[in-house]
Amino acid sequence: GAVVSQHPSRVICKSGTSVKIECRSLDFQATTMFWYRQFPKQSLMLMATSNEGSKATYEQGVEKDKFLINHASLTLSTLTVTSAHPEDSSFYICSARDLRGARETQYFGPGTRLLVL
Amino acid sequence: SQQGEEDPQALSIQEGENATMNCSYKTSINNLQWYRQNSGRGLVHLILIRSNEREKHSGRLRVTLDTSKKSSSLLITASRAADTASYFCATETRGSTLGRLYFGRGTQLTVWP
Repeated sequence: GAVVSQHPSRVICKSGTSVKIECRSLDFQATTMFWYRQFPKQSLMLMATSNEGSKATYEQGVEKDKFLINHASLTLSTLTVTSAHPEDSSFYICSARDLRGARETQYFGPGTRLLVL
Repeated sequence: SQQGEEDPQALSIQEGENATMNCSYKTSINNLQWYRQNSGRGLVHLILIRSNEREKHSGRLRVTLDTSKKSSSLLITASRAADTASYFCATETRGSTLGRLYFGRGTQLTVWP
């Protein structure tokens, strides 16, 4: 199947710093990328939908100024957690899909574990 | 909430036994998908079943869909210790953003050798 990578795989940072997470589709063009967060032993909660070349659509309750999303190309989307605080510690997962084709499958990255001290 | 619900939340079986997980959802769907997640890792797509399909097979996996009951089941036959993971169902609902998935809370499957 298609491959989606995330970088970094884990990051530890001090409170107040910003963290950028990259999501890349390695062997296909992703018109749309989705960003999720997952707390321990819980389900994935969608944060935002990112379409290439346009502004991201955020889910209710997700601060767009806190979680900056950029989808500048068909293979790369970035999520920046600005002024991170301990409550932002979580597992962040992206997924990618090419909505131009008939394939309905969505491909997930391996996730980024963020720990804010 | 459009979120799906898996049942049971946790399932513990011996190798060789079959594992059945169920998923219920609330709204009309385009398709329903099952994913697997090993602890601390990303999701692996297992199988997708469309709303006009009733059953699908992939290797040791069998998925059924009953749109009248808004439910699906995932059967893993002849389970192995390596099947130990969390399993999530996710629905792509009609009228929602294309590609947007609503995830259930997952079933934690433990297969003992």
